[in-house]
Amino acid sequence: AQTVTQSQPEMSVQEAETVTLSCTYDTSENNYYLFWYKQPPSRQMILVIRQEAYKQQNATENRFSVNFQKAAKSFSLKISDSQLGDTAMYFCALATSSNTGKLIFGQGTTLQVKP
Amino acid sequence: ETGVTQTPRHLVMGMTNKKSLKCEQHLGHNAMYWYKQSAKKPLELMFVYSLEERVENNSVPSRFSPECPNSSHLFLHLHTLQPEDSALYLCASSQDNWGTEAFFGQGTRLTVV
Repeated sequence: AQTVTQSQPEMSVQEAETVTLSCTYDTSENNYYLFWYKQPPSRQMILVIRQEAYKQQNATENRFSVNFQKAAKSFSLKISDSQLGDTAMYFCALATSSNTGKLIFGQGTTLQVKP
Repeated sequence: ETGVTQTPRHLVMGMTNKKSLKCEQHLGHNAMYWYKQSAKKPLELMFVYSLEERVENNSVPSRFSPECPNSSHLFLHLHTLQPEDSALYLCASSQDNWGTEAFFGQGTRLTVV
């Protein structure tokens, strides 16, 4: 069975600071994708970043980067220079080929960026 | 705006009512999904459609009935719901049903009274 665990229900960070959100997952497959999605108060889930398991290089999207540790099954999200608009719930998700591509989500981490 | 539109945004219904949630995408995607988001729980996948065929039903009670008449539209028909069915229902679509980015709608906040 595939699982995704986010152990930090809530976090806060000062504007312009850096914050790291944790995610661990479990799968027996070698071929899978990992995602971070953001859900702001408007409720619309938006993709933040995507990592392919066969790529060793960590994905980066502007202020967002991941630390992908395949052996440890860890996939943390680092947000640099935090902005007020980053306030949202963040979900880590896993997709595997054997699961017909469905996204398996973690419980989510609520991030509050403080001015 | 991600290109996936859900209506209505809010819905209050009694336990004996019949209602439908609608999802529409014009992104050319061939896979569509229904998710349920309850407070303090991970998102739960309910149904997956690929090329208008249901490929997954995640042990969802029969009071939830999906319909995918074409690749751009997805419905969730509701009847005789329970108060515990109150949740945010999210629709998503993707180019194919493996590994690509899923685009989500803004959801329908459903309250069953």
